[in-house]
Amino acid sequence: EPEVTQTPSHQVTQMGQEVILRCVPISNHLYFYWYRQILGQKVEFLVSFYNNEISEKSEIFDDQFSVERPDGSNFTLKIRSTKLEDSAMYFCASSSRGRDTEAFFGQGTRLTVV
Amino acid sequence: AQKVTQAQTEISVVEKEDVTLDCVYETRDTTYYLFWYKQPPSGELVFLIRRNSFDEQNEISGRYSWNFQKSTSSFNFTITASQVVDSAVYFCALSEAGLTGGGNKLTFGTGTQLKVEL
Repeated sequence: EPEVTQTPSHQVTQMGQEVILRCVPISNHLYFYWYRQILGQKVEFLVSFYNNEISEKSEIFDDQFSVERPDGSNFTLKIRSTKLEDSAMYFCASSSRGRDTEAFFGQGTRLTVV
Repeated sequence: AQKVTQAQTEISVVEKEDVTLDCVYETRDTTYYLFWYKQPPSGELVFLIRRNSFDEQNEISGRYSWNFQKSTSSFNFTITASQVVDSAVYFCALSEAGLTGGGNKLTFGTGTQLKVEL
């Protein structure tokens, strides 16, 4: 069964460093997303991406964040200068269509900023 | 603005008991979509069900069933004859129809931790 895969599963980084989280969405999906979940809290939407551009983003997704689809298979989230409060589980997801279809999530990348 | 409320923070049951997880939502849209996701201890988010706002028919899938009631803005999830493997955090989520071409922006509830014990 097709699935969304994320690498790495866990990343530890020093405050102020740049990190790139990587995702391979399901191959025939057209919409891609990043969500985050701070430990013990609810899952929060960060950004959606369609047709090689951001279609929607939340207030969390400020100038420190960027997304890219560098080739036909990968989808990345970059945090330019990490802060302690960026520590969270980051989930990548993809869907075949927009709002009327379910999003399938990857297993997550746990980011720890020290 | 859309909102999802899962008032039950944690539920503990004994195996084989039935359990219902509550979900209440708020939205101004007339077209919207409701979802349930399961997050087992391993951490991933597993899709369980999607329901459209114009389809109030209840659904059953094995031991799982969902009761959608627009009149009370609720989308409750029942597990029949619970098993230890059902132990997880369960999230209810809402997506509004929004703009054409928009992606599936999900608003999640805070989740209900279900513990099923022997």
